[in-house]
Amino acid sequence: KNEVEQSPQNLTAQEGEFITINCSYSVGISALHWLQQHPGGGIVSLFMLSSGKKKHGRLIATINIQEKHSSLHITASHPRDSAVYICAAVLNYGGSQGNLIFGKGTKLSVKP
Amino acid sequence: EPEVTQTPSHQVTQMGQEVILRCVPISNHLYFYWYRQILGQKVEFLVSFYNNEISEKSEIFDDQFSVERPDGSNFTLKIRSTKLEDSAMYFCASSRPTGGNSPLHFGNGTRLTVT
Repeated sequence: KNEVEQSPQNLTAQEGEFITINCSYSVGISALHWLQQHPGGGIVSLFMLSSGKKKHGRLIATINIQEKHSSLHITASHPRDSAVYICAAVLNYGGSQGNLIFGKGTKLSVKP
Repeated sequence: EPEVTQTPSHQVTQMGQEVILRCVPISNHLYFYWYRQILGQKVEFLVSFYNNEISEKSEIFDDQFSVERPDGSNFTLKIRSTKLEDSAMYFCASSRPTGGNSPLHFGNGTRLTVT
């Protein structure tokens, strides 16, 4: 069965802390998305990556395809980073890149 | 920055009724998607649409569901005879037609409540 597992499920941090969210998957994939879901429900794409590392502002995403593992890091965390972070695996690179298996999400709360 | 827009934001319907959820993808995007998220659960892929036809669909997307791009801008999800278990947040997304890693752009969702 295709699975995407995230850890931790819940994470509380103090403002300024370095945060890591992990994602592992059980099948070969072509790429992986990191998404942010706001308290109101809206979803924003943070990264899509198939190898190596990507950085955008205080966010860094890494992936190791051979080890079937990806991480999302947030440096100098801020209360506005509080959200649910979701990883989602792309099963079929040759076709639509939106056929995704989603993790359950990591709920992050950053306290001032 | 261009956005994916979804209407309505909240739809309440009675069991057995038909509903149409509407989406306007970003104008130069060619791949379109629907996802759903039942309250408290993870997001699930429903269907992808490209070149005026379904390119992939999940087991959830059975005969009760259909998608359509009736004109150059709208992308709709129709649920023919709603069931209580169809209550969920439905997200539309679109992506650019480039090779390589193409990020998804999501709408804000339509919360469907079936009573």
